[in-house]
Formats: sequence, C-alpha cells, structure tokens
Amino acid sequence: AQSVTQPDIHITVSEGASLELRCNYSYGATPYLFWYVQSPGQGLQLLLKYFSGDTLVQGIKGFEAEFKRSQSSFNLRKPSVHWSDAAEYFCAVGGIRGNKLVFGAGTILRVKS
Amino acid sequence: EAGVAQSPRYKIIEKRQSVAFWCNPISGHATLYWYQQILGQGPKLLIQFQNNGVVDDSQLPKDRFSAERLKGVDSTLKIQPAKLEDSAVYLCASSYGAGVGGETQYFGPGTRLLVL
Repeated sequence: AQSVTQPDIHITVSEGASLELRCNYSYGATPYLFWYVQSPGQGLQLLLKYFSGDTLVQGIKGFEAEFKRSQSSFNLRKPSVHWSDAAEYFCAVGGIRGNKLVFGAGTILRVKS
Repeated sequence: EAGVAQSPRYKIIEKRQSVAFWCNPISGHATLYWYQQILGQGPKLLIQFQNNGVVDDSQLPKDRFSAERLKGVDSTLKIQPAKLEDSAVYLCASSYGAGVGGETQYFGPGTRLLVL
C-alpha cells in the first residue's frame, strides 16, 4: 500500500536561510511524487512533480526536489526562504493507475524575520 | 482560466443534520475528486469520478456519504446524518484527462465543515 511520511510537523527558518523539508514514501513500483503547498484558507497548489528521468526536479517559486530511490525520499529544498513561503507543505505519492494521491500529514513552515 | 469553484466556504451544523457541498471543476476536465482533510492530517481521497462514472469510492463511508456528478460536470457531496468526526475541510479537485497516473490535480479552496 502507498504511504507517505513527513517526519517534521513544524519547521521554523529565518528569512533568507535555506530550507529542506523531508518526505519518505512507500510504494511497490516507480511512484509519481508531488509537492503541494497550502496557504491558510486556500486550496492546494502544485509546486513540482516527479515521474521519471532527471532526479532533480525544478518547480515554481524557486523550489526544487530530489528523488532518491535508494532512500525512498523526495525532499523539497529552497536556497533562500522568503516570508511569503510560510504555509503548510504536503508531499504526495501517486500510482500509475487511477491517479489516486496519498498525502503525508504535512509540514508547517514558519519564517521568522 | 477559472479554477475549481466550491461552495459554501464554511458550514456549521448540528450532529445528525444533513449537509451538501457543491463543486464546479475547471472547464473541460474529465476527472473530479473529493478529498477529506481532517485537522492535522493530509487530504484523503473519498471518491473519484471520470466524467459521470465512479472510478474509486473505496474510502467513502457509504452509510452516510453520497456523491454524484450529473452530466459529467458539477458534483455534489452529501453527508446524512453528520457525525462529530466529519468536521473537516472538504476539497474538490479536477484533472484534465482520464485520471491516469501523474496527472496534475487542481484543487479548489475547500469547504470547512464544523459539526457541533
């Protein structure tokens, strides 16, 4: 069965500092992997997704993520965080059929000035 | 391009009452999804439609939840009767194609339900 673990419930970083949000997944085959961001009162917005090929994926808003099959991880990174990045971030895994997404519990990012 | 529309945005009801949520997907999107997001958890898929047919409703509590997508466009999710544990945000999403793996799902703003 598919599952996603986001080990960090909350993370606080200073504005301008680098960011890494962790995501580990469990899936029996090559997964489709996604990162979504949710601001308060808003729906989820796709940051980036990985299907195959280059394991380093570039997304919107300066985010990137690296797929590491050996570690079953898909960590999200940003070199310099802005105050507007404060939100909740969800990692999700999807299969080849049906497009059902299984989400992690999310990581709340706080940015301090 | 207009996004996924949902209404109402907020709803407060007493337990054992009924409630309905409405979703209008992005124009031309064949696949529609309803997710339940309980506070502190990630969204969980309740039901997936392709056009007006159900693809996956394995996690829909069918004794109290029902959903329909008439004419393959708008969709309604109903809870009857509501329980306290149904308090959550109900998210609607849509995707362009036949719901095959990897398609981007576009999410609406959600309906926040509080059951007292």
